[in-house]
Amino acid sequence: GAVVSQHPSWVICKSGTSVKIECRSLDFQATTMFWYRQFPKQSLMLMATSNEGSKATYEQGVEKDKFLINHASLTLSTLTVTSAHPEDSSFYICSAIEASRLNTEAFFGQGTRLTVV
Amino acid sequence: DAKTTQPTSMDCAEGRAANLPCNHSTISGNEYVYWYRQIHSQGPQYIIHGLKNNETNEMASLIITEDRKSSTLILPHATLRDTAVYYCIVRDGGAGNMLTFGGGTRLMVKP
Repeated sequence: GAVVSQHPSWVICKSGTSVKIECRSLDFQATTMFWYRQFPKQSLMLMATSNEGSKATYEQGVEKDKFLINHASLTLSTLTVTSAHPEDSSFYICSAIEASRLNTEAFFGQGTRLTVV
Repeated sequence: DAKTTQPTSMDCAEGRAANLPCNHSTISGNEYVYWYRQIHSQGPQYIIHGLKNNETNEMASLIITEDRKSSTLILPHATLRDTAVYYCIVRDGGAGNMLTFGGGTRLMVKP
């Protein structure tokens, strides 16, 4: 299947700093990428939908100024957690859908575990 | 997207078939049934999807009832590495629609 690469796999940062997470589709072009967050023992919660060349669409309750999303190309979307706090510690996961195929499966990155200390 | 209902957890003996049920009684005509699984601390892995007909691939089989209100994912010979949370999701076939995850079924494969 198609490959989605997420980097870094884990990161520890100090409270108040910003962290950037990259999501790349390695062998296909993705018009749309999705960012999820998962807290321990919970399911994945959609944070935002990232569309190449346009502004991201955020889910209710997700602060767009805190979670900056950039989707500058058909193979790369980035999520920046600004001014991170301990409550932002979570497992962040991206997924991508191939642009040219309808009714297709979404592929997921391996996730990024963020720990804010 | 229509909601799904899955058992919270299931056990299966290694080497036996694992049958994971999913109810999606409010599914609409253009919504597909997707199955993903998530092994601890990893991103979800695509397993299979279907619209009306039963589907089979190298990982699993998907059986969809004729009225499409429920489906069953079958892992024919479960191994310890199949221990994971399995998510059944119904989704519109349009390329832009996201996947909405429910609680899933925690499958424990035991020796």
